[in-house]
Amino acid sequence: GEDVEQSLFLSVREGDSSVINCTYTDSSSTYLYWYKQEPGAGLQLLTYIFSNMDMKQDQRLTVLLNKKDKHLSLRIADTQTGDSAIYFCAERANQGGKLIFGQGTELSVKP
Amino acid sequence: GAVVSQHPSWVICKSGTSVKIECRSLDFQATTMFWYRQFPKQSLMLMATSNEGSKATYEQGVEKDKFLINHASLTLSTLTVTSAHPEDSSFYICSAPHPSGGYNEQFFGPGTRLTVL
Repeated sequence: GEDVEQSLFLSVREGDSSVINCTYTDSSSTYLYWYKQEPGAGLQLLTYIFSNMDMKQDQRLTVLLNKKDKHLSLRIADTQTGDSAIYFCAERANQGGKLIFGQGTELSVKP
Repeated sequence: GAVVSQHPSWVICKSGTSVKIECRSLDFQATTMFWYRQFPKQSLMLMATSNEGSKATYEQGVEKDKFLINHASLTLSTLTVTSAHPEDSSFYICSAPHPSGGYNEQFFGPGTRLTVL
């Protein structure tokens, strides 16, 4: 079945890089996503990667995909206190727009 | 990016009453919208897919008669929680894929927090 796993917490110091990891089980996943959720708010799409790509970079964000190991990571360079939030990894299978979300990783950035 | 709104942002109701939550795509048309439910400190669980002009598709374990979905127009989907009970208290979030990107980019509403007393 479909399953997405993430570690629950990550704490970093301001200015350091943050790496949030995610594993998924559905080999038919076509797109993999990273969303950010701030307290009491909806989800903000940060970036997504197509399954035939290995890497995607967008300003401070770098997404790495290891399709063989079904492992996805999000690296945030020069992490700021405003980056503190919960980050969700999600996969989309080939059919339809249904997204399967991980449990979310709570990122805490200390000054 | 595209904007999806929800109304109300929060609602408190008595047990046994019905509550309607609206999801609107403000600057694009959405033939499909998705309704998710999120418990505190937990992930989003897809409840149903709302389809304009046809019946909603519900995920396994979601009661159709309890969570009524109506996709009234290309910019509006509503979720009605009928005869709400305290266990229905949750954060309900909708999303809509932007047509220019197919299903590649889904934009989420800000969520509606439902508290049933």
